[in-house]
Amino acid sequence: GAGVSQSPRYKVTKRGQDVALRCDPISGHVSLYWYRQALGQGPEFLTYFNYEAQQDKSGLPNDRFSAERPEGSISTLTIQRTEQRDSAMYRCASSLVGPAGGNNEQFFGPGTRLTVL
Amino acid sequence: AQSVTQLDSHVSVSEGTPVLLRCNYSSSYSPSLFWYVQHPNKGLQLLLKYTSAATLVKGINGFEAEFKKSETSFHLTKPSAHMSDAAEYFCVVSDSNFGNEKLTFGTGTRLTIIP
Repeated sequence: GAGVSQSPRYKVTKRGQDVALRCDPISGHVSLYWYRQALGQGPEFLTYFNYEAQQDKSGLPNDRFSAERPEGSISTLTIQRTEQRDSAMYRCASSLVGPAGGNNEQFFGPGTRLTVL
Repeated sequence: AQSVTQLDSHVSVSEGTPVLLRCNYSSSYSPSLFWYVQHPNKGLQLLLKYTSAATLVKGINGFEAEFKKSETSFHLTKPSAHMSDAAEYFCVVSDSNFGNEKLTFGTGTRLTIIP
């Protein structure tokens, strides 16, 4: 079956532009997570959803970053007025059940590599 | 706050010799611990996980890890390295008792296999 997909795979933008990164989770997965991975580092948590509800956004670095999952499936991470320091790999993951469930393995997508010039 | 420390940023072993990737954790609660692997240009894949059941956890591709509470360690091992094991490995902690599965990753260990 299809795994987690993300688009675009690569995005190059100029400083000050807005970007929208898309995540399509595995069908039926309840939870969806966003992480950011800088070069040479491990992924860092940004935010997560259960269905359409954003449960935790404590990892979003500032108010230029926002995420939504309006129908409880596809999610979009939006970065407004991009800066060079936003350059990173943005990874999405989904899991079958919510945190209280037993099968909560997170399946990761291939990531979107964002470069801000 | 939860955290993990991967003690080696780079490990090189010869093919057929044992692999040891070290990880220490810090957590206020009984943690869930994971090892993920990232092959070049591919996504992250779960190798194994510990969730307060057996302290010795077996994963895919012959890897295993042992949870040692007294040492706050969760080292990853494999008896015999294969060329296909060359990748980046991440030790990960989750404070499940907080009610979410936010994962906190270590900085990674790059494993190189020498033919």
